[in-house]
Formats: sequence, structure tokens, C-alpha cells
Amino acid sequence: SQTIHQWPATLVQPVGSPLSLECTVEGTSNPNLYWYRQAAGRGLQLLFYSVGIGQISSEVPQNLSASRPQDRQFILSSKKLLLSDSGFYLCASHRGLTTNEKLFFGSGTQLSVL
Amino acid sequence: DQQVKQNSPSLSVQEGRISILNCDYTNSMFDYFLWYKKYPAEGPTFLISISSIKDKNEDGRFTVFLNKSAKHLSLHIVPSQPGDSAVYFCAASVSAAGGTSYGKLTFGQGTILTVHP
Repeated sequence: SQTIHQWPATLVQPVGSPLSLECTVEGTSNPNLYWYRQAAGRGLQLLFYSVGIGQISSEVPQNLSASRPQDRQFILSSKKLLLSDSGFYLCASHRGLTTNEKLFFGSGTQLSVL
Repeated sequence: DQQVKQNSPSLSVQEGRISILNCDYTNSMFDYFLWYKKYPAEGPTFLISISSIKDKNEDGRFTVFLNKSAKHLSLHIVPSQPGDSAVYFCAASVSAAGGTSYGKLTFGQGTILTVHP
């Protein structure tokens, strides 16, 4: 089965600083990859998804960007963090053709912007 | 605008009793619903799902009920065990040809379930 590596587990960054969160996937090839975020009191919100190298779709306008330089690598970035970027960020991978069950999540990064 | 809502932030249940977690949605286009469970310091893991063509799906101690007219679904855990203590997320999606919607889930806020021994 798939394994998703996400790091760091927690991160505290000042407002205006850059951000780079990395996610790598093992145990599959050519997966769809996703970045989700949970802000305080809210559900998990889909931020970006990618169906292949260099292919990124943004679901909501925001201060963040995503890149997929390799098949099993997905990166979430920001040039200047805002307070509203605080939240719990989850990378997810999907390798299946018919159902949603095969959505595997990483363990997440808790980002606090101060 | 939250399209999927879990209005109970937390639920406390005695071991052996039934746990009922609720979820409401507003988007009538949703046709596939899932429950995920999350332990601390881990990512969510899939628990059970239901298609809109059904009103019930059962898997061992877990049963999901769907009421399309009320736009409501619930997860029943019987009997509840201390190991079930976790955060439970309800999620929904709209199916599309080509599979491009799969993985694009709309989640609720989560409900913290605590099962006491």
C-alpha cells in the first residue's frame, strides 16, 4: 500500500517568511496528489491537486502555490506567509479509478504563523 | 460557506454503548459520502463510505446511514470501544466521468469521539 511522507510535523513561522512543505509518496506510481488544509474550526479544504508532473490545479485563491517536480513529490510553498495561512496541512495521494476510498493521507504539518 | 457540517465538536460515550456521529450537507450534487478516522499525529484513514443510491452501508461495527431528503448522514458504531476514540471526519464528493473528481473531497470540521472504559 501507499506511504506518504510529510514533514515537518510542526512548524512555527513569522509573518512574511517563506514556506516550503514537502510531500513524497511511496508504493505507487503516477498518483493524483492533493494538498488539504484545516483551519481552526473548519473542515479539511482542498487547496491544490495534481494529476501529473508539472500539472497543478488550484481550488481556492490564496497566498500559496504548489509544484510537482517529480512523479511522487508534491511541494506547497509561499513567498510571504500571512496569519491566515495558519492551519493543519495534509498531503494526500490517490491511485484508483473508481472510488474515493483509496485516498491516502500523510500525517500532516501543523503550521502556526505568528 | 461550509457545504459539509458536523455540528457536534465532541461526543463522549461509554464502552459497549452506541456512538452516533452526525453530518449534514447542503450541496445536492454530492453523490458519494465517506467517513474518515484520525488519530493524533496521524493522517486520516478511510473508514466507510456510501453511495447516494443506497441509504445504508454496514461494515462490522460501523454502519453509515444516508437520508438524502434531509441531506443528512450518520455513522453508528456498535459496540463502541476505547480504541475508537479519535476524530471522525465526514466527507462528500461529486462523481464525474473520467475520475477527475475522485480525491476532491469536501470535509466537515470533524467530531472528537471519546469512548470511556
